[in-house]
Amino acid sequence: DTGVSQDPRHKITKRGQNVTFRCDPISEHNRLYWYRQTLGQGPEFLTYFQNEAQLEKSRLLSDRFSAERPKGSFSTLEIQRTEQGDSAMYLCASSPGRGGAKNIQYFGAGTRLSVL
Amino acid sequence: AQSVTQPDIHITVSEGASLELRCNYSYGATPYLFWYVQSPGQGLQLLLKYFSGDTLVQGIKGFEAEFKRSQSSFNLRKPSVHWSDAAEYFCAVGPLYSGAGSYQLTFGKGTKLSVIP
Repeated sequence: DTGVSQDPRHKITKRGQNVTFRCDPISEHNRLYWYRQTLGQGPEFLTYFQNEAQLEKSRLLSDRFSAERPKGSFSTLEIQRTEQGDSAMYLCASSPGRGGAKNIQYFGAGTRLSVL
Repeated sequence: AQSVTQPDIHITVSEGASLELRCNYSYGATPYLFWYVQSPGQGLQLLLKYFSGDTLVQGIKGFEAEFKRSQSSFNLRKPSVHWSDAAEYFCAVGPLYSGAGSYQLTFGKGTKLSVIP
């Protein structure tokens, strides 16, 4: 069990550029979540996948954000036309599909995005 | 809508002293409660969880938390703090059951713990 892996750990970009982050969940975890954490705040839910299906999206996920999980394994989060307000830590979490542990989310180390 | 309040933004304690971090929640259904810890620049590590049964739950690193339904609280405690406990602590609430399948968590704003050697 290698844990949830996120890449890159840090990303610096200029306003208006597109960025993509990757998340590899714990093997055999079919539930995957993305959260955003800004300075001085707790993580806020962005979106949820069960296998390859994106079943829930937060109103925080504007049209410039898109997430995919094409084969039900890794997931990507893309931000188009980045704005300075997108600067945050983007956290990925995964959990098992069934059993008592399905409520328990395991987090990756996050991708810190800085938009200049 | 659910919410989590952590009233203390920053707490400083001396090494060896006891610690209590407060958490109050508002939730319309039976909640699943968590405490996570985050070291600088890192992700979140699960300390402990509660969903039913004994209201005093034990976690990793010597932490425990007590669920008090009447007070809508889930306070985190440790009898003797170590310098390595300095970090940010987040309380979170999630659904025990989910028809949509999402068990998304709602987090508090966190409490930063500083430890004086």
